[in-house]
Amino acid sequence: DSGVTQTPKHLITATGQRVTLRCSPRSGDLSVYWYQQSLDQGLQFLIQYYNGEERAKGNILERFSAQQFPDLHSELNLSSLELGDSALYFCASSPRPLQETQYFGPGTRLLVL
Amino acid sequence: AQSVTQPDIHITVSEGASLELRCNYSYGATPYLFWYVQSPGQGLQLLLKYFSGDTLVQGIKGFEAEFKRSQSSFNLRKPSVHWSDAAEYFCAVGAGGTSYGKLTFGQGTILTVHP
Repeated sequence: DSGVTQTPKHLITATGQRVTLRCSPRSGDLSVYWYQQSLDQGLQFLIQYYNGEERAKGNILERFSAQQFPDLHSELNLSSLELGDSALYFCASSPRPLQETQYFGPGTRLLVL
Repeated sequence: AQSVTQPDIHITVSEGASLELRCNYSYGATPYLFWYVQSPGQGLQLLLKYFSGDTLVQGIKGFEAEFKRSQSSFNLRKPSVHWSDAAEYFCAVGAGGTSYGKLTFGQGTILTVHP
Protein backbone atom coordinates (compact mmCIF):
# COMPACT_ATOMS: atom_id res chain seq x y z
CA ASP A 1 0.00 0.00 0.00
CA SER A 2 1.58 3.25 -1.20
CA GLY A 3 -0.60 5.50 0.97
CA VAL A 4 -2.14 7.15 -2.10
CA THR A 5 -5.86 6.55 -2.42
CA GLN A 6 -8.02 6.91 -5.49
CA THR A 7 -11.77 6.73 -5.91
CA PRO A 8 -13.66 5.24 -7.53
CA LYS A 9 -11.81 2.07 -8.52
CA HIS A 10 -14.00 1.50 -11.54
CA LEU A 11 -16.19 3.82 -13.54
CA ILE A 12 -18.46 2.99 -16.46
CA THR A 13 -20.11 5.80 -18.32
CA ALA A 14 -21.38 6.81 -21.74
CA THR A 15 -19.91 9.00 -24.45
CA GLY A 16 -20.54 12.68 -23.94
CA GLN A 17 -20.71 12.40 -20.17
CA ARG A 18 -18.53 14.01 -17.51
CA VAL A 19 -16.79 12.23 -14.64
CA THR A 20 -14.63 13.23 -11.70
CA LEU A 21 -11.77 11.13 -10.39
CA ARG A 22 -10.50 11.76 -6.90
CA CYS A 23 -7.05 11.33 -5.39
CA SER A 24 -5.76 11.70 -1.83
CA PRO A 25 -1.96 11.92 -1.62
CA ARG A 26 0.25 10.33 1.00
CA SER A 27 0.27 12.13 4.30
CA GLY A 28 2.70 15.03 4.06
CA ASP A 29 3.05 14.99 0.29
CA LEU A 30 2.38 18.34 -1.35
CA SER A 31 2.74 17.36 -5.00
CA VAL A 32 0.18 15.38 -6.98
CA TYR A 33 0.56 13.98 -10.48
CA TRP A 34 -1.97 12.46 -12.86
CA TYR A 35 -1.12 9.84 -15.47
CA GLN A 36 -3.16 8.01 -18.07
CA GLN A 37 -2.42 4.41 -19.04
CA SER A 38 -3.94 3.10 -22.25
CA LEU A 39 -3.08 0.23 -24.55
CA ASP A 40 -2.13 2.42 -27.48
CA GLN A 41 -0.39 5.30 -25.67
CA GLY A 42 1.12 3.54 -22.68
CA LEU A 43 1.70 5.58 -19.52
CA GLN A 44 1.41 9.30 -20.21
CA PHE A 45 1.90 12.21 -17.85
CA LEU A 46 -1.12 14.50 -17.76
CA ILE A 47 -0.63 17.20 -15.16
CA GLN A 48 1.10 18.08 -11.89
CA TYR A 49 0.02 20.21 -8.95
CA TYR A 50 2.07 21.42 -6.03
CA ASN A 51 0.42 22.85 -2.95
CA GLY A 52 -2.65 23.88 -4.90
CA GLU A 53 -0.89 25.34 -7.93
CA GLU A 54 -0.46 23.82 -11.36
CA ARG A 55 3.24 23.13 -11.99
CA ALA A 56 3.50 21.17 -15.21
CA LYS A 57 1.29 20.01 -18.03
CA GLY A 58 1.75 17.05 -20.28
CA ASN A 59 -0.46 15.51 -22.91
CA ILE A 60 -3.70 16.59 -21.31
CA LEU A 61 -6.68 17.23 -23.54
CA GLU A 62 -8.61 20.49 -23.28
CA ARG A 63 -11.67 18.44 -22.27
CA PHE A 64 -9.75 17.38 -19.15
CA SER A 65 -9.05 19.59 -16.18
CA ALA A 66 -7.72 19.13 -12.69
CA GLN A 67 -7.33 20.95 -9.43
CA GLN A 68 -5.75 20.48 -6.04
CA PHE A 69 -7.68 21.61 -3.01
CA PRO A 70 -6.44 23.22 0.24
CA ASP A 71 -6.54 19.82 1.98
CA LEU A 72 -4.21 18.64 -0.85
CA HIS A 73 -6.56 16.12 -2.40
CA SER A 74 -6.89 16.42 -6.14
CA GLU A 75 -9.62 15.85 -8.69
CA LEU A 76 -9.34 15.11 -12.37
CA ASN A 77 -12.37 16.11 -14.37
CA LEU A 78 -13.00 14.48 -17.73
CA SER A 79 -15.79 15.91 -19.89
CA SER A 80 -17.40 15.21 -23.27
CA LEU A 81 -16.07 11.71 -22.92
CA GLU A 82 -15.12 9.70 -25.98
CA LEU A 83 -14.54 5.99 -26.43
CA GLY A 84 -10.81 6.67 -26.64
CA ASP A 85 -10.77 8.10 -23.12
CA SER A 86 -11.22 4.60 -21.74
CA ALA A 87 -8.06 3.98 -19.74
CA LEU A 88 -6.55 3.50 -16.33
CA TYR A 89 -5.95 6.83 -14.62
CA PHE A 90 -3.27 6.96 -11.96
CA CYS A 91 -2.57 9.53 -9.34
CA ALA A 92 0.87 9.78 -7.75
CA SER A 93 2.26 11.96 -5.01
CA SER A 94 5.61 13.15 -3.73
CA PRO A 95 6.77 15.46 -0.95
CA ARG A 96 8.09 18.20 -3.24
CA PRO A 97 7.80 19.05 -6.91
CA LEU A 98 11.31 18.40 -8.16
CA GLN A 99 12.16 14.79 -8.80
CA GLU A 100 11.25 13.20 -5.59
CA THR A 101 10.15 9.61 -5.79
CA GLN A 102 6.55 9.37 -6.92
CA TYR A 103 4.27 6.92 -5.18
CA PHE A 104 1.32 5.70 -7.20
CA GLY A 105 -2.22 4.98 -6.21
CA PRO A 106 -4.14 1.88 -7.36
CA GLY A 107 -5.75 3.76 -10.25
CA THR A 108 -9.27 4.36 -11.52
CA ARG A 109 -10.32 2.24 -14.47
CA LEU A 110 -12.61 4.25 -16.74
CA LEU A 111 -14.71 2.57 -19.39
CA VAL A 112 -16.60 4.77 -21.83
CA LEU A 113 -19.35 3.00 -23.74
CA ALA B 1 12.75 15.96 -24.54
CA GLN B 2 13.43 12.84 -22.55
CA SER B 3 12.46 9.38 -23.78
CA VAL B 4 12.73 5.78 -22.63
CA THR B 5 13.02 2.62 -24.68
CA GLN B 6 12.38 -0.85 -23.36
CA PRO B 7 13.38 -3.05 -26.29
CA ASP B 8 11.75 -6.23 -25.00
CA ILE B 9 7.97 -6.27 -25.00
CA HIS B 10 7.73 -9.75 -23.51
CA ILE B 11 10.30 -11.93 -21.74
CA THR B 12 9.83 -15.49 -20.53
CA VAL B 13 12.15 -17.09 -17.99
CA SER B 14 12.10 -20.22 -15.87
CA GLU B 15 11.73 -19.95 -12.13
CA GLY B 16 15.18 -19.78 -10.56
CA ALA B 17 16.81 -18.37 -13.68
CA SER B 18 18.48 -14.98 -13.78
CA LEU B 19 16.76 -11.98 -15.29
CA GLU B 20 17.83 -8.81 -17.05
CA LEU B 21 15.36 -6.26 -18.36
CA ARG B 22 16.77 -3.62 -20.63
CA CYS B 23 16.13 0.10 -20.48
CA ASN B 24 17.67 2.84 -22.59
CA TYR B 25 16.97 6.49 -21.99
CA SER B 26 17.52 9.75 -23.78
CA TYR B 27 18.12 12.87 -21.75
CA GLY B 28 20.66 15.65 -22.04
CA ALA B 29 21.77 15.91 -18.43
CA THR B 30 22.06 13.46 -15.58
CA PRO B 31 18.72 11.70 -15.43
CA TYR B 32 16.69 10.50 -12.52
CA LEU B 33 15.86 6.86 -13.24
CA PHE B 34 13.23 4.54 -11.84
CA TRP B 35 11.93 1.02 -12.21
CA TYR B 36 8.31 0.30 -11.33
CA VAL B 37 6.41 -2.98 -11.36
CA GLN B 38 2.73 -3.42 -12.11
CA SER B 39 0.89 -6.62 -11.29
CA PRO B 40 -2.37 -7.32 -13.15
CA GLY B 41 -5.09 -4.95 -12.01
CA GLN B 42 -2.74 -3.20 -9.61
CA GLY B 43 -1.02 0.14 -9.38
CA LEU B 44 2.66 0.86 -9.90
CA GLN B 45 5.06 -0.16 -7.17
CA LEU B 46 8.51 1.40 -7.01
CA LEU B 47 11.30 -1.19 -7.21
CA LEU B 48 14.31 1.12 -7.13
CA LYS B 49 15.61 4.50 -8.16
CA TYR B 50 18.81 6.24 -9.19
CA PHE B 51 19.40 9.90 -8.47
CA SER B 52 23.17 10.11 -8.10
CA GLY B 53 26.14 8.39 -6.50
CA ASP B 54 26.79 4.66 -6.69
CA THR B 55 25.73 3.47 -10.14
CA LEU B 56 24.62 0.07 -8.85
CA VAL B 57 21.41 0.46 -6.89
CA GLN B 58 19.61 -2.10 -4.82
CA GLY B 59 15.85 -2.29 -4.65
CA ILE B 60 13.12 -4.30 -3.09
CA LYS B 61 12.36 -7.96 -3.77
CA GLY B 62 16.02 -8.71 -4.60
CA PHE B 63 16.18 -6.48 -7.68
CA GLU B 64 19.13 -4.30 -8.64
CA ALA B 65 19.88 -1.97 -11.51
CA GLU B 66 23.03 -0.45 -12.93
CA PHE B 67 23.27 3.04 -14.39
CA LYS B 68 25.68 3.19 -17.32
CA ARG B 69 26.03 6.73 -18.59
CA SER B 70 28.17 5.74 -21.58
CA GLN B 71 25.45 3.40 -22.80
CA SER B 72 22.48 5.51 -21.66
CA SER B 73 21.16 2.40 -19.98
CA PHE B 74 19.59 1.44 -16.67
CA ASN B 75 19.05 -2.32 -16.85
CA LEU B 76 17.17 -4.19 -14.15
CA ARG B 77 18.53 -7.50 -12.88
CA LYS B 78 17.62 -10.28 -10.52
CA PRO B 79 19.81 -13.33 -9.92
CA SER B 80 16.99 -15.81 -9.33
CA VAL B 81 13.43 -15.19 -10.45
CA HIS B 82 10.43 -16.31 -8.41
CA TRP B 83 7.00 -17.10 -9.84
CA SER B 84 5.61 -14.09 -7.98
CA ASP B 85 7.83 -11.80 -10.08
CA ALA B 86 5.55 -12.29 -13.08
CA ALA B 87 4.26 -8.80 -13.85
CA GLU B 88 4.86 -5.85 -16.13
CA TYR B 89 7.94 -3.75 -15.52
CA PHE B 90 8.31 -0.11 -16.42
CA CYS B 91 11.45 1.97 -16.64
CA ALA B 92 10.99 5.72 -16.22
CA VAL B 93 13.14 8.81 -16.51
CA GLY B 94 12.57 12.09 -14.77
CA ALA B 95 14.11 15.51 -15.11
CA GLY B 96 14.10 18.69 -13.17
CA GLY B 97 13.94 22.18 -14.52
CA THR B 98 10.82 23.12 -16.39
CA SER B 99 9.70 19.49 -16.56
CA TYR B 100 9.38 19.46 -12.80
CA GLY B 101 8.17 16.10 -11.64
CA LYS B 102 7.12 14.68 -14.98
CA LEU B 103 8.08 11.03 -15.44
CA THR B 104 8.44 9.60 -18.91
CA PHE B 105 7.80 5.87 -19.05
CA GLY B 106 8.92 3.16 -21.40
CA GLN B 107 6.36 0.91 -23.02
CA GLY B 108 6.88 -1.79 -20.43
CA THR B 109 8.19 -5.35 -20.45
CA ILE B 110 5.87 -8.19 -19.56
CA LEU B 111 7.63 -10.92 -17.59
CA THR B 112 6.29 -14.46 -17.68
CA VAL B 113 7.79 -17.01 -15.29
CA HIS B 114 7.59 -20.72 -16.10
CA PRO B 115 7.66 -23.21 -13.21
